[in-house]
Amino acid sequence: AQKVTQAQTEISVVEKEDVTLDCVYETRDTTYYLFWYKQPPSGELVFLIRRNSFDEQNEISGRYSWNFQKSTSSFNFTITASQVVDSAVYFCALSEAMGNTGKLIFGQGTTLQVKP
Amino acid sequence: EPEVTQTPSHQVTQMGQEVILRCVPISNHLYFYWYRQILGQKVEFLVSFYNNEISEKSEIFDDQFSVERPDGSNFTLKIRSTKLEDSAMYFCASSESGAETQYFGPGTRLLVL
Repeated sequence: AQKVTQAQTEISVVEKEDVTLDCVYETRDTTYYLFWYKQPPSGELVFLIRRNSFDEQNEISGRYSWNFQKSTSSFNFTITASQVVDSAVYFCALSEAMGNTGKLIFGQGTTLQVKP
Repeated sequence: EPEVTQTPSHQVTQMGQEVILRCVPISNHLYFYWYRQILGQKVEFLVSFYNNEISEKSEIFDDQFSVERPDGSNFTLKIRSTKLEDSAMYFCASSESGAETQYFGPGTRLLVL
């Protein structure tokens, strides 16, 4: 069965600190896709990154970086030098290739509060 | 930049009433989805739609729910007889294929009284 676990419910940091959001997933499919979405206080879901299961290269985009490790079924997200505008709920999500329906399974989300 | 749009942004209805939530997906996308998020909880998959039919639906998507693509641009979610527990934010999303990134609309907040 597919499952995404974000064990950290809430994280609070002070601006300029680095913060890592954890994501662990379960799937029996050998081909799958992992995503991170940001949900700011305004409520919309903003796409951050998509990773397929065959691409374990870490990725950096500005202050954001992602560490994908198949051996531990983890896809962690790090924000470097956090800013108040990073305050949001962050969701990790999984989509399996089998059936190709695109269904996204979301984790519970991690609420990040960045204090000035 | 193309985006998914949803109307209305908010809807208040009485229990037992029918509601229709509307979405306009990104124009070259072929896969459409509805998700819901009960306040403070995670986002839950409801249904995926491709080639004018449902490709997958969750346990939540019971007989009270239906989806339709009435024309070339709109994608609707109908709840026939709303219950209190249907109160949630409903998100529409679209993607080029089942494997590609889903882009979400801003959501419709539904409140059932």
